Amino acid sequence: DQQVKQNSPSLSVQEGRISILNCDYTNSMFDYFLWYKKYPAEGPTFLISISSIKDKNEDGRFTVFLNKSAKHLSLHIVPSQPGDSAVYFCAASGTTDSWGKLQFGAGTQVVVTP
Amino acid sequence: DVKVTQSSRYLVKRTGEKVFLECVQDMDHENMFWYRQDPGLGLRLIYFSYDVKMKEKGDIPEGYSVSREKKERFSLILESASTNQTSMYLCASTSTYEQYFGPGTRLTVT
Repeated sequence: DQQVKQNSPSLSVQEGRISILNCDYTNSMFDYFLWYKKYPAEGPTFLISISSIKDKNEDGRFTVFLNKSAKHLSLHIVPSQPGDSAVYFCAASGTTDSWGKLQFGAGTQVVVTP
Repeated sequence: DVKVTQSSRYLVKRTGEKVFLECVQDMDHENMFWYRQDPGLGLRLIYFSYDVKMKEKGDIPEGYSVSREKKERFSLILESASTNQTSMYLCASTSTYEQYFGPGTRLTVT
């Protein structure tokens, strides 16, 4: 049973506009959340993270929002650029997950069009 | 600069062959992981290791085994490859939450 869900398999956005990627989780023990970006034929690279004690974390064009009561997080990319075209994975870890284990969502393919 | 390397980028094997996928990290991380990535399924954990010679099953360990004889090296073994093991295999390492990934091995079993 998948504990981290990304319900949108794909997203198309115009260059310069905002991209909003969503992620839902079911395990209330998760306390740390990460977003990874993956280009074809490459390994995922870490993008941004947030601890459950915060509700927002910002890094340049990337902002992650966490709504613990709704068990929902989102990634905002503003403004979107062609180089942002990739698959984005949401991941979560909890107090019951030892040794740095992460649970990943299925991913969202983002395509940024000119 | 952190680095995780995998022995092959592309591999083609026949059904029934024994397959070895090697992963090496240079960050002195205790924890190492093997995932497979399939379209629509995300990254699924096969096995992980938290110390030399220590291993734990992930979510989909059937048909796989692992070996960790040295801290920097973690090997994934397909004892008898089958066509449903055609996939992208990703190795990662970490000492905290953020996992660092290798470039992946695209394995095709025919």
